Amino acid sequence: SQTIHQWPATLVQPVGSPLSLECTVEGTSNPNLYWYRQAAGRGLQLLFYSVGIGQISSEVPQNLSASRPQDRQFILSSKKLLLSDSGFYLCAWSVNSLVGYTFGSGTRLTVV
Amino acid sequence: DQQVKQNSPSLSVQEGRISILNCDYTNSMFDYFLWYKKYPAEGPTFLISISSIKDKNEDGRFTVFLNKSAKHLSLHIVPSQPGDSAVYFCAASALVTDKLIFGTGTRLQVFP
Repeated sequence: SQTIHQWPATLVQPVGSPLSLECTVEGTSNPNLYWYRQAAGRGLQLLFYSVGIGQISSEVPQNLSASRPQDRQFILSSKKLLLSDSGFYLCAWSVNSLVGYTFGSGTRLTVV
Repeated sequence: DQQVKQNSPSLSVQEGRISILNCDYTNSMFDYFLWYKKYPAEGPTFLISISSIKDKNEDGRFTVFLNKSAKHLSLHIVPSQPGDSAVYFCAASALVTDKLIFGTGTRLQVFP
C-alpha cells in the first residue's frame, strides 16, 4: 500500500534561518507531488507541484523553493525564512486528480 | 484571486440534524470536485467527490450536490455526529491540469 511520510511534525525557526522540509512516498512510482500551505484564513494554498524528477512548477511567488531529487522525494526549502512563512505545510501525492490526493500529516512551522 | 470559495468560515449543528456546507467556484474549466475533511494538526483526508457529468453523489451519510449553472456545490451530512466536527475543504480540478484548488475551509462543530 502507498504511504506518505513528512517530517518534522513541528519546527520553530528564527527569522533569517534556512529551511528544509522533506516528504517521501512509498508504494508507488512516478507520483505527482505537491506542497500546500495552510495559513489562517487562506485555506490550502498550492505552492509547488511536480510531475517528475527535476520538474517543479511554482504556483505563487514566494520566499520558498522546491526540489525533487528522486522520484518519490519532494523537498521544500528556503535560504532565509520570513515571519510570513509561518504556517502548516502539507505534502501530497496523487496518480491523478480523479482519485484525489493523499496528504501527509503536515509540518507546523513557526518563524520567530 | 480565490477560484474556490467557502463563504461560511464556521457552522454549528446539533447532533442528529443535517449539516450543509457550501462551496462556490469561478473557473468554468473545473470539471471535478472533491470534499476533504481535516482534523487539527493532521493532513486532510478525502471524503467524497463528484464529476461535472453528475449533479449528485451519495456515500452513506454524505451527499454532494453540484449545480453547474450556478457554479455551486454543497455537502450534506445526515445525520450529523460529534465525530464529524472538523474543518471541511472543498476542492476543484480541471482534469487537464491535474491540480486541486482548495477553498478556504468551513469549520463544522456538531454539538450533542
